[in-house]
Amino acid sequence: KQEVTQIPAALSVPEGENLVLNCSFTDSAIYNLQWFRQDPGKGLTSLLLIQSSQREQTSGRLNASLDKSSGRSTLYIAASQPGDSATYLCAVKRKVGGGADGLTFGKGTHLIIQP
Amino acid sequence: EPEVTQTPSHQVTQMGQEVILRCVPISNHLYFYWYRQILGQKVEFLVSFYNNEISEKSEIFDDQFSVERPDGSNFTLKIRSTKLEDSAMYFCASSGNTEAFFGQGTRLTVV
Repeated sequence: KQEVTQIPAALSVPEGENLVLNCSFTDSAIYNLQWFRQDPGKGLTSLLLIQSSQREQTSGRLNASLDKSSGRSTLYIAASQPGDSATYLCAVKRKVGGGADGLTFGKGTHLIIQP
Repeated sequence: EPEVTQTPSHQVTQMGQEVILRCVPISNHLYFYWYRQILGQKVEFLVSFYNNEISEKSEIFDDQFSVERPDGSNFTLKIRSTKLEDSAMYFCASSGNTEAFFGQGTRLTVV
């Protein structure tokens, strides 16, 4: 059974710092990996999707990497801003069912950027 | 920009009552999902739906739950006889072959 772990559980840093959020998963046979942002009491906003054949994806100040063989992904946030404060979730989709399979989520990293 | 829409945003129901949560997925997507998030816990997969039938379901999705796509646009989750432990945020999601997009959720409170 796939398990997804995110470290750290919480992080508080001053504005302007670069930071790295970590995600690990136990079964490397994944279809893709997706990073989401969740604001309190709100839905999930997709940030980046990495296909199993890819090593990284970039969107603005965000960069996500994937090392499938070691079961790890990182989300790098450059020049953090107070508006980046949220919970960041990592989720993997297993390979077998492809598009039809559900995502397995980690518990998330609760990020606070201090102004 | 296309988005997944869920209604209602909040629902309070008495234990034992039936509830129907509604979703309008993104129009050209093929796969539809329901997830739930109990307060303070992980987002958990419930069920996926493709080609007008259930593709996969988790152990949480027991006989109390059902899904339906009654027309070309709506996707519903029905809980037949709600229990206190069904209180959670329920998210609908849809995808093409890759990226999943989530709705804003329905907060269900069972009293």
